[in-house]
Amino acid sequence: GDSVTQTEGPVTVSESESLIINCTYSATSIAYPNLFWYVRYPGEGLQLLLKVITAGQKGSSRGFEATYNKETTSFHLQKASVQESDSAVYYCALGRAGNTGKLIFGLGTTLQVQP
Amino acid sequence: DMKVTQMPRYLIKRMGENVLLECGQDMSHETMYWYRQDPGLGLQLIYISYDVDSNSEGDIPKGYRVSRKKREHFSLILDSAKTNQTSVYFCASSFGSSQNTLYFGAGTRLSVL
Repeated sequence: GDSVTQTEGPVTVSESESLIINCTYSATSIAYPNLFWYVRYPGEGLQLLLKVITAGQKGSSRGFEATYNKETTSFHLQKASVQESDSAVYYCALGRAGNTGKLIFGLGTTLQVQP
Repeated sequence: DMKVTQMPRYLIKRMGENVLLECGQDMSHETMYWYRQDPGLGLQLIYISYDVDSNSEGDIPKGYRVSRKKREHFSLILDSAKTNQTSVYFCASSFGSSQNTLYFGAGTRLSVL
C-alpha cells in the first residue's frame, strides 16, 4: 500500500544551522502522487508548508524547499539557516489515487531549534 | 478570516459515555475530514464528508459516526466510547476534494478513562 516514512524526531539544531528532514514514500496506487509538507506550530492546527505535484519540480516556502524525486521516491525538506521560530512538527504527506482528497501522512518530525 | 475551529479542545470521558466533537469552518469548503493521531502513528483518516449529508468512510471508521447537516459544521460522534479511542482528533476542510490545501483545526485531546 501507500506509505510515507520520515526522519524520526526529535531533531535538535542550533539557530542559523542548516536542516534536512528526510521523507521517502511508497505509492502503489498512483504513479505520480502529489507530495506535501505540512507544519504544526505549538497550539495550532497543521498548515500547508509546500506542495509539489510534478516529479522533478521543487517547492519552496518560508525559506524551506523540497524537491520531488521520483527516482529515489524522496521529498526531503531542507532549509539553509533555521530560526528559533521554525520549532514545530513537520509532516510529509502524499495524495492517494483518485479525486478523493485523501492524504497519507508520515509520523511527523519534531524540530527543536536552540537559540 | 480562514479558520477551522474545534470544540472542545480537551475532553475527559468515562468508558461507555457518548462523545460529541464539533468542528466548524468559515470558508464554505465543501469537503471536511476527521483524523486521529496517536503516538507512533501518523494521522489516520476516520471520515470524509464531500458536502451536506454526503459522508464517506476513511481508513478507520469503526466505532465512529459523523453528521454534516450544514456545510460549515462537521461533527464526530463516539457512541459508547472505548479506552482505545483516547487520542488527539483533528478536523480539516478543503475547497473541493482534488487534493487541494487542507486547513486544520488545532485538535481535540480526548481521554477515555
